Amino acid sequence: NAGVTQTPKFRVLKTGQSMTLLCAQDMNHEYMYWYRQDPGMGLRLIHYSVGEGTTAKGEVPDGYNVSRLKKQNFLLGLESAAPSQTSVYFCASSNIAGSSYEQYFGPGTRLTVT
Amino acid sequence: AQKVTQAQTEISVVEKEDVTLDCVYETRDTTYYLFWYKQPPSGELVFLIRRNSFDEQNEISGRYSWNFQKSTSSFNFTITASQVVDSAVYFCALSLNNAGNMLTFGGGTRLMVKP
Repeated sequence: NAGVTQTPKFRVLKTGQSMTLLCAQDMNHEYMYWYRQDPGMGLRLIHYSVGEGTTAKGEVPDGYNVSRLKKQNFLLGLESAAPSQTSVYFCASSNIAGSSYEQYFGPGTRLTVT
Repeated sequence: AQKVTQAQTEISVVEKEDVTLDCVYETRDTTYYLFWYKQPPSGELVFLIRRNSFDEQNEISGRYSWNFQKSTSSFNFTITASQVVDSAVYFCALSLNNAGNMLTFGGGTRLMVKP
């Protein structure tokens, strides 16, 4: 059982380049999330999805876009990367049955923008 | 808006000492859920515990225990007889009873357990 997987694990981009981070989950979860982790700030929610075909903004959505074309996948796109987007990105998923259920996290993607 | 504060950014203890990690939260909702996650040096996030706002019973799991007090909006985490393997960053988080289950995280506490 793979749980939540993320690709790639590491990436270095130059300012202005674009890229897509892929998150996949095999637990049939309805909800999926993208967070970024910066030193001393914990994890902050970028975007989330409550079901296939739906997305919504989180706390820090600027500079990112997302898509949820398939239930098991949640893509995070950076159209024009900036050094401020250097961070560790975590994807997570959870069941639909209310907030009582935990979120399962992927291993993270370390992105450096030079 | 909700907020989670972990005032201790770093704690250093010697193995076998007990250590308490503090978590204070803010929310106007009456129904909410509190979590603790562990992030070891390898980087993944490991779920430790979930508590709902209606259950103030303290919980113990092996060397870990949690003290939830609504009166002080705190959800503190104690490790008894700490071990080197407990060295990690620990995050407290809050989610509300709404669509999306979004988590609001504290800034984390880095625990270093020295042999």
